[in-house]
Amino acid sequence: DTGVSQDPRHKITKRGQNVTFRCDPISEHNRLYWYRQTLGQGPEFLTYFQNEAQLEKSRLLSDRFSAERPKGSFSTLEIQRTEQGDSAMYLCASSSGTGYYGYTFGSGTRLTVV
Amino acid sequence: GENVEQHPSTLSVQEGDSAVIKCTYSDSASNYFPWYKQELGKGPQLIIDIRSNVGEKKDQRIAVTLNKTAKHFSLHITETQPEDSAVYFCAARNPDSNDYKLSFGAGTTVTVRA
Repeated sequence: DTGVSQDPRHKITKRGQNVTFRCDPISEHNRLYWYRQTLGQGPEFLTYFQNEAQLEKSRLLSDRFSAERPKGSFSTLEIQRTEQGDSAMYLCASSSGTGYYGYTFGSGTRLTVV
Repeated sequence: GENVEQHPSTLSVQEGDSAVIKCTYSDSASNYFPWYKQELGKGPQLIIDIRSNVGEKKDQRIAVTLNKTAKHFSLHITETQPEDSAVYFCAARNPDSNDYKLSFGAGTTVTVRA
């Protein structure tokens, strides 16, 4: 296990289509986070899981967004009826769950909605 | 929630000179402060972090200082090299909260001139 993997790396979709991204965290990490990053900004928190439980969702996560982490392993982030404002880098990160350790981020999925 | 401000937004330095990036945070309960480096097309990578019970931490050419009273912390890069060119993000987290999420600054684009 060499790190956090995200798939796909790039996604171009037409407005109104649904898209789904996948994240595979570091295997021993029980916490998994989704962040969104737009150009020139720092990552913004979307949601996080402890094992399979989704414990918090940001106000940024509208009803069109849904995330799952079945069995506490990989996670998926789905965006329904995409809008141009959804264009961003979607980053996944994982951590061991102790309070003083930083995240390990994946390389992200860059979404472009045309 | 936590609000992190980061300055400057861009920084150009001559190779061999030092670079300093400063961040302020709003939540006095925050006690973990990581710094991330993001290269083009990659996810953020943790480069150094500091806890609130420590005033300074150094790792080879990089160091971080923390002033809890003033609620600010800084990243220092000495003897800069071309490979230090990247976007740097500071972040803060209150591990005592239930969410364990990081709040990021907007980033500093560092360019090292050869």
